[in-house]
Amino acid sequence: GAVVSQHPSWVICKSGTSVKIECRSLDFQATTMFWYRQFPKQSLMLMATSNEGSKATYEQGVEKDKFLINHASLTLSTLTVTSAHPEDSSFYICSATVGPSSYNEQFFGPGTRLTVL
Amino acid sequence: DAKTTQPNSMESNEEEPVHLPCNHSTISGTDYIHWYRQLPSQGPEYVIHGLTSNVNNRMASLAIAEDRKSSTLILHRATLRDAAVYYCILRDVGDNYGQNFVFGPGTRLSVLP
Repeated sequence: GAVVSQHPSWVICKSGTSVKIECRSLDFQATTMFWYRQFPKQSLMLMATSNEGSKATYEQGVEKDKFLINHASLTLSTLTVTSAHPEDSSFYICSATVGPSSYNEQFFGPGTRLTVL
Repeated sequence: DAKTTQPNSMESNEEEPVHLPCNHSTISGTDYIHWYRQLPSQGPEYVIHGLTSNVNNRMASLAIAEDRKSSTLILHRATLRDAAVYYCILRDVGDNYGQNFVFGPGTRLSVLP
Protein backbone atom coordinates (compact mmCIF):
# COMPACT_ATOMS: atom_id res chain seq x y z
CA GLY A 1 0.00 0.00 0.00
CA ALA A 2 0.92 3.65 -0.19
CA VAL A 3 3.51 4.74 2.35
CA VAL A 4 4.07 8.19 3.78
CA SER A 5 7.16 8.94 5.81
CA GLN A 6 8.08 11.84 8.04
CA HIS A 7 11.43 13.06 9.20
CA PRO A 8 12.44 13.52 11.89
CA SER A 9 10.24 11.33 14.07
CA TRP A 10 10.98 13.55 17.02
CA VAL A 11 12.85 16.78 17.63
CA ILE A 12 13.72 18.88 20.63
CA CYS A 13 14.70 22.48 20.10
CA LYS A 14 15.27 25.66 22.01
CA SER A 15 12.72 28.43 22.04
CA GLY A 16 13.24 30.87 19.17
CA THR A 17 14.77 28.39 16.75
CA SER A 18 13.22 27.05 13.57
CA VAL A 19 12.46 23.42 12.86
CA LYS A 20 11.80 21.77 9.50
CA ILE A 21 9.69 18.63 9.20
CA GLU A 22 9.65 16.62 5.98
CA CYS A 23 6.77 14.58 4.63
CA ARG A 24 7.42 12.17 1.77
CA SER A 25 5.21 9.88 -0.25
CA LEU A 26 7.48 6.92 -0.88
CA ASP A 27 5.73 4.93 -3.58
CA PHE A 28 3.23 7.29 -5.13
CA GLN A 29 2.88 10.85 -6.29
CA ALA A 30 0.84 13.06 -4.02
CA THR A 31 -0.62 16.14 -5.59
CA THR A 32 -2.12 17.14 -2.27
CA MET A 33 -0.70 16.77 1.19
CA PHE A 34 -2.21 17.85 4.48
CA TRP A 35 -0.59 18.95 7.70
CA TYR A 36 -2.28 18.24 11.03
CA ARG A 37 -1.39 19.09 14.59
CA GLN A 38 -2.38 17.03 17.60
CA PHE A 39 -2.06 18.11 21.20
CA PRO A 40 -2.04 15.52 24.00
CA LYS A 41 -5.38 13.78 24.54
CA GLN A 42 -6.91 15.70 21.63
CA SER A 43 -7.88 14.84 18.10
CA LEU A 44 -6.10 15.85 14.92
CA MET A 45 -6.64 19.42 13.79
CA LEU A 46 -5.95 20.40 10.20
CA MET A 47 -3.38 23.16 9.86
CA ALA A 48 -3.02 23.53 6.12
CA THR A 49 -3.51 21.94 2.74
CA SER A 50 -0.47 21.76 0.52
CA ASN A 51 -0.72 21.48 -3.24
CA GLU A 52 2.33 20.78 -5.34
CA GLY A 53 3.61 23.87 -7.05
CA SER A 54 1.27 26.32 -5.37
CA LYS A 55 0.86 28.13 -2.09
CA ALA A 56 -0.59 26.26 0.83
CA THR A 57 -4.06 26.97 2.11
CA TYR A 58 -4.10 27.57 5.85
CA GLU A 59 -6.95 26.94 8.24
CA GLN A 60 -8.35 29.79 10.26
CA GLY A 61 -6.19 30.62 13.22
CA VAL A 62 -3.01 29.08 11.80
CA GLU A 63 -0.31 31.67 11.18
CA LYS A 64 1.10 31.18 7.69
CA ASP A 65 4.23 33.19 8.52
CA LYS A 66 4.97 30.96 11.47
CA PHE A 67 4.21 27.61 9.83
CA LEU A 68 5.87 27.70 6.43
CA ILE A 69 4.81 24.98 4.03
CA ASN A 70 6.63 24.12 0.84
CA HIS A 71 5.42 21.46 -1.58
CA ALA A 72 8.19 21.52 -4.13
CA SER A 73 7.61 18.13 -5.70
CA LEU A 74 4.96 15.46 -5.99
CA THR A 75 6.65 13.42 -3.29
CA LEU A 76 7.81 15.98 -0.77
CA SER A 77 6.18 18.60 1.42
CA THR A 78 7.93 20.41 4.24
CA LEU A 79 6.61 22.22 7.27
CA THR A 80 8.90 24.73 8.95
CA VAL A 81 7.98 25.97 12.39
CA THR A 82 9.70 29.34 12.63
CA SER A 83 10.71 30.91 15.92
CA ALA A 84 9.27 27.99 17.82
CA HIS A 85 7.92 28.48 21.32
CA PRO A 86 6.87 25.98 23.99
CA GLU A 87 3.22 26.30 22.97
CA ASP A 88 4.17 24.94 19.55
CA SER A 89 5.14 21.65 21.17
CA SER A 90 2.85 19.11 19.59
CA PHE A 91 2.57 16.02 17.42
CA TYR A 92 2.66 17.04 13.74
CA ILE A 93 1.21 14.61 11.22
CA CYS A 94 1.09 14.82 7.45
CA SER A 95 -1.11 12.90 5.05
CA ALA A 96 -1.34 12.50 1.32
CA THR A 97 -4.05 11.50 -1.06
CA VAL A 98 -3.69 8.96 -3.81
CA GLY A 99 -5.97 10.57 -6.22
CA PRO A 100 -8.13 11.32 -7.83
CA SER A 101 -10.16 8.65 -6.15
CA SER A 102 -13.85 8.12 -5.70
CA TYR A 103 -13.46 7.45 -1.99
CA ASN A 104 -10.58 9.74 -1.24
CA GLU A 105 -8.48 7.45 0.90
CA GLN A 106 -5.70 9.25 2.68
CA PHE A 107 -2.44 7.86 3.91
CA PHE A 108 -0.91 9.30 7.01
CA GLY A 109 2.67 9.66 8.06
CA PRO A 110 3.89 8.37 11.40
CA GLY A 111 4.04 11.85 12.89
CA THR A 112 6.76 14.09 14.28
CA ARG A 113 6.83 14.98 17.93
CA LEU A 114 8.15 18.48 18.48
CA THR A 115 9.23 19.61 21.92
CA VAL A 116 10.24 23.22 22.35
CA LEU A 117 12.16 24.00 25.51
CA ASP B 1 -19.08 17.19 5.97
CA ALA B 2 -21.78 15.61 8.13
CA LYS B 3 -20.91 15.06 11.78
CA THR B 4 -20.45 11.78 13.57
CA THR B 5 -20.81 10.88 17.22
CA GLN B 6 -18.94 8.08 18.94
CA PRO B 7 -18.60 6.96 22.56
CA ASN B 8 -15.55 8.48 24.20
CA SER B 9 -14.16 5.16 25.33
CA MET B 10 -14.78 1.44 25.30
CA GLU B 11 -13.19 -1.58 26.88
CA SER B 12 -12.83 -5.08 25.60
CA ASN B 13 -11.21 -8.28 26.70
CA GLU B 14 -8.52 -9.79 24.58
CA GLU B 15 -9.69 -12.28 21.94
CA GLU B 16 -13.29 -11.16 22.23
CA PRO B 17 -15.21 -9.30 19.52
CA VAL B 18 -15.55 -5.55 19.75
CA HIS B 19 -18.36 -3.49 18.30
CA LEU B 20 -17.56 0.19 17.94
CA PRO B 21 -20.65 2.29 17.15
CA CYS B 22 -20.88 5.50 15.18
CA ASN B 23 -23.94 7.66 14.70
CA HIS B 24 -24.25 9.85 11.65
CA SER B 25 -27.88 10.85 11.48
CA THR B 26 -27.26 13.70 9.01
CA ILE B 27 -25.39 11.55 6.51
CA SER B 28 -26.09 12.37 2.89
CA GLY B 29 -26.65 9.87 0.14
CA THR B 30 -23.18 10.43 -1.28
CA ASP B 31 -21.21 10.24 1.98
CA TYR B 32 -18.76 7.37 2.37
CA ILE B 33 -18.20 6.08 5.90
CA HIS B 34 -14.51 5.78 6.74
CA TRP B 35 -12.87 4.30 9.79
CA TYR B 36 -9.32 5.09 10.80
CA ARG B 37 -7.48 4.24 13.96
CA GLN B 38 -4.56 5.82 15.71
CA LEU B 39 -2.22 3.81 17.85
CA PRO B 40 -0.32 5.67 20.56
CA SER B 41 2.26 8.07 19.17
CA GLN B 42 1.52 7.12 15.57
CA GLY B 43 -0.31 8.62 12.64
CA PRO B 44 -3.82 7.44 11.79
CA GLU B 45 -4.14 4.16 9.96
CA TYR B 46 -6.86 3.22 7.48
CA VAL B 47 -9.17 0.49 8.71
CA ILE B 48 -12.13 0.21 6.39
CA HIS B 49 -14.69 2.21 4.46
CA GLY B 50 -18.10 1.66 2.91
CA LEU B 51 -21.09 3.33 1.33
CA THR B 52 -24.19 1.18 1.73
CA SER B 53 -23.32 -2.49 1.94
CA ASN B 54 -21.51 -4.19 4.77
CA VAL B 55 -17.80 -4.54 4.14
CA ASN B 56 -15.17 -6.98 5.29
CA ASN B 57 -11.41 -6.88 5.09
CA ARG B 58 -8.54 -8.51 6.89
CA MET B 59 -8.64 -5.96 9.69
CA ALA B 60 -12.32 -5.56 10.44
CA SER B 61 -15.90 -5.58 9.29
CA LEU B 62 -18.15 -2.59 8.79
CA ALA B 63 -21.86 -2.99 9.36
CA ILE B 64 -23.94 -0.16 7.96
CA ALA B 65 -27.54 0.35 9.07
CA GLU B 66 -30.17 0.15 6.40
CA ASP B 67 -30.98 3.85 6.79
CA ARG B 68 -27.22 4.62 6.92
CA LYS B 69 -27.69 6.78 9.99
CA SER B 70 -25.36 4.60 11.98
CA SER B 71 -22.60 2.10 11.48
CA THR B 72 -20.57 -0.31 13.55
CA LEU B 73 -16.95 -1.25 13.21
CA ILE B 74 -16.43 -4.85 14.23
CA LEU B 75 -13.11 -6.25 15.36
CA HIS B 76 -13.69 -9.98 15.41
CA ARG B 77 -11.02 -10.88 17.94
CA ALA B 78 -9.46 -7.99 19.78
CA THR B 79 -5.77 -8.15 20.49
CA LEU B 80 -3.65 -5.92 22.67
CA ARG B 81 -2.37 -4.29 19.49
CA ASP B 82 -5.87 -3.10 18.68
CA ALA B 83 -5.82 -0.66 21.60
CA ALA B 84 -6.14 2.68 19.84
CA VAL B 85 -8.40 5.63 19.16
CA TYR B 86 -10.90 4.77 16.45
CA TYR B 87 -12.26 7.54 14.26
CA CYS B 88 -15.46 7.37 12.23
CA ILE B 89 -15.36 9.95 9.42
CA LEU B 90 -17.78 10.82 6.64
CA ARG B 91 -16.57 11.94 3.25
CA ASP B 92 -18.69 12.97 0.29
CA VAL B 93 -17.95 10.85 -2.74
CA GLY B 94 -18.25 14.03 -4.77
CA ASP B 95 -15.36 15.70 -2.95
CA ASN B 96 -12.24 15.94 -5.01
CA TYR B 97 -9.15 14.26 -3.71
CA GLY B 98 -7.85 17.53 -2.40
CA GLN B 99 -10.16 17.59 0.60
CA ASN B 100 -9.01 16.80 4.11
CA PHE B 101 -10.57 14.49 6.64
CA VAL B 102 -12.27 16.06 9.66
CA PHE B 103 -11.45 14.14 12.81
CA GLY B 104 -13.77 14.07 15.80
CA PRO B 105 -12.63 12.92 19.23
CA GLY B 106 -13.06 9.24 18.32
CA THR B 107 -13.44 6.25 20.63
CA ARG B 108 -10.52 5.20 22.77
CA LEU B 109 -10.50 1.40 22.86
CA SER B 110 -8.76 -0.35 25.72
CA VAL B 111 -8.08 -4.05 25.40
CA LEU B 112 -7.65 -5.96 28.63
CA PRO B 113 -5.46 -9.08 28.73
